[in-house]
Amino acid sequence: EAQVTQNPRYLITVTGKKLTVTCSQNMNHEYMSWYRQDPGLGLRQIYYSMNVEVTDKGDVPEGYKVSRKEKRNFPLILESPSPNQTSLYFCASRRGPLNYYGYTFGSGTRLTVV
Amino acid sequence: DQQVKQNSPSLSVQEGRISILNCDYTNSMFDYFLWYKKYPAEGPTFLISISSIKDKNEDGRFTVFLNKSAKHLSLHIVPSQPGDSAVYFCAASGSGSGGSNYKLTFGKGTLLTVNP
Repeated sequence: EAQVTQNPRYLITVTGKKLTVTCSQNMNHEYMSWYRQDPGLGLRQIYYSMNVEVTDKGDVPEGYKVSRKEKRNFPLILESPSPNQTSLYFCASRRGPLNYYGYTFGSGTRLTVV
Repeated sequence: DQQVKQNSPSLSVQEGRISILNCDYTNSMFDYFLWYKKYPAEGPTFLISISSIKDKNEDGRFTVFLNKSAKHLSLHIVPSQPGDSAVYFCAASGSGSGGSNYKLTFGKGTLLTVNP
């Protein structure tokens, strides 16, 4: 089944403790992206990647890092999480160069930073 | 600065009737527009898209209309079914260089409830 898989689905952590949210897609998509969803703010892009070793900042990149060492994986790294990073996170991938194809989203990771 | 606006947080319709969800945008560089549906505890699901060179795109019960001069698009669902109850997000992107075609700018969403 074609899908984007994120892990973990739920995570509660403490301020300052480094964490990684993994994302993997099995569709051989070149384009991948991370979004966060917050009440009243919709979905905002954190980082995106056009291919292996090619990444760039989205609208809200502060406090996050990403890497794209393999085509299928695009982990999101929080080096020193803070409570304002409590959010619902989505990884997404896309098959083509144009947004006309639409992103395929993972099921989400609900992160709580206390 | 909110570039994609969905001014109705919620919409309620009867089963079998038409649902019309609206979206306005401010960035004239947007070239592609998409609608996503989201159920609780799931990721958004791509529904339908439209390029700025078109004014209408249809896929089964879903039709998206684009009015470029008014910077307005709408999603029509006919007939509406209870299973259509979800949050609907409008999204837009450009097609130029500098990463603009990789970035989707989303609206805040509209909760559609279809009553049996």
